[in-house]
Amino acid sequence: EAGVAQSPRYKIIEKRQSVAFWCNPISGHATLYWYQQILGQGPKLLIQFQNNGVVDDSQLPKDRFSAERLKGVDSTLKIQPAKLEDSAVYLCASSHPLISGYEQYFGPGTRLTVT
Amino acid sequence: RKEVEQDPGPFNVPEGATVAFNCTYSNSASQSFFWYRQDCRKEPKLLMSVYSSGNEDGRFTAQLNRASQYISLLIRDSKLSDSATYLCVVKARGGADGLTFGKGTHLIIQP
Repeated sequence: EAGVAQSPRYKIIEKRQSVAFWCNPISGHATLYWYQQILGQGPKLLIQFQNNGVVDDSQLPKDRFSAERLKGVDSTLKIQPAKLEDSAVYLCASSHPLISGYEQYFGPGTRLTVT
Repeated sequence: RKEVEQDPGPFNVPEGATVAFNCTYSNSASQSFFWYRQDCRKEPKLLMSVYSSGNEDGRFTAQLNRASQYISLLIRDSKLSDSATYLCVVKARGGADGLTFGKGTHLIIQP
């Protein structure tokens, strides 16, 4: 079974630039999550989708971050404009309660460096 | 108070030893509990769920104390391959099921 795919794996941008990350979840997984993991910290949930609807975006900094999952499959996360403190690994995860229970499967992440 | 607190370590432990990690959580409405493992520069992966009755998976034992809001992980006969960061994870009761992670405990098994 193919895992969660993410691209790019690495990205370096200057502050105030824009960046977008892409995620393709495990086939059949209706729920998709984006997490931000700053060095030395645990992952922090940014947004959760159920199919193409947002379930929880309470921790998403909406002034600069946006995410969409238009067709209920793959998803993009955008940062515009980026700040130095956005340097982190952005992890995408997916799950399906009937298939995997509460287990979330994570992709390899996109490592963002903002200079 | 942080939602999920762990001792970040590092814990330096000789191979074959037993090591235990603890974690506390602040939300008494938390519903589900997990330990995830994260290797250096890799994504987190589920190690085991934690049940109120306690559960064991090979060399790993997890326990939950709801009254004290405390979760533990015990690793027996530690192997070099157990070296990793262990993340304590909590899911709140309710519709959204995003996970709340602790900062992780870094374990180094020494030969």
